Amino acid sequence: KNEVEQSPQNLTAQEGEFITINCSYSVGISALHWLQQHPGGGIVSLFMLSSGKKKHGRLIATINIQEKHSSLHITASHPRDSAVYICAVSPPITQGGSEKLVFGKGTKLTVNP
Amino acid sequence: EPEVTQTPSHQVTQMGQEVILRCVPISNHLYFYWYRQILGQKVEFLVSFYNNEISEKSEIFDDQFSVERPDGSNFTLKIRSTKLEDSAMYFCASSDFSASYNEQFFGPGTRLTVL
Repeated sequence: KNEVEQSPQNLTAQEGEFITINCSYSVGISALHWLQQHPGGGIVSLFMLSSGKKKHGRLIATINIQEKHSSLHITASHPRDSAVYICAVSPPITQGGSEKLVFGKGTKLTVNP
Repeated sequence: EPEVTQTPSHQVTQMGQEVILRCVPISNHLYFYWYRQILGQKVEFLVSFYNNEISEKSEIFDDQFSVERPDGSNFTLKIRSTKLEDSAMYFCASSDFSASYNEQFFGPGTRLTVL
């Protein structure tokens, strides 16, 4: 059973700051997902990655498969980035081909103007 | 841009009543999922559905729960006899391949309140 841990649980930043959110997981995976949950509850997929690094606008996601660790970075943070950021993993196909996601508890980010 | 839709956005029901939560996945997607999030807790997997059958279900998904794809567009979650602890946000998601290879697209959720 995969455990997904995120840190920090809560993060408050000033506008313009560089943000890092960390995620670690306990067993091998085939993919890791970063998701954003808005205050109203809706969930948006930000990245899916299985190796290396991906960048989309001011967001960067990295993963280290050997260390079972991923980070989400936000450059030049803005108040509209305020949301809960969730890390989720999917098990390897070799373990029965499960399609489900296993979620972390999320990191609540507040960016103040 | 195609999106997953869910209805209703909020459902209030009495304990013991049946509820049906509806989802319209993205039209060319093949994998469908239901997740739930109890207030203040993490999102939990309920069930995945592929090729008109359940491909995996969690311990939460007991005999009170069922899923159906009654036509080519809708994907429903039925709770036969609701309990207080079923109160949660229920999310539908779809993908054109398994989560191991492709991102999942989430609907806006249905907030279920059981009184």
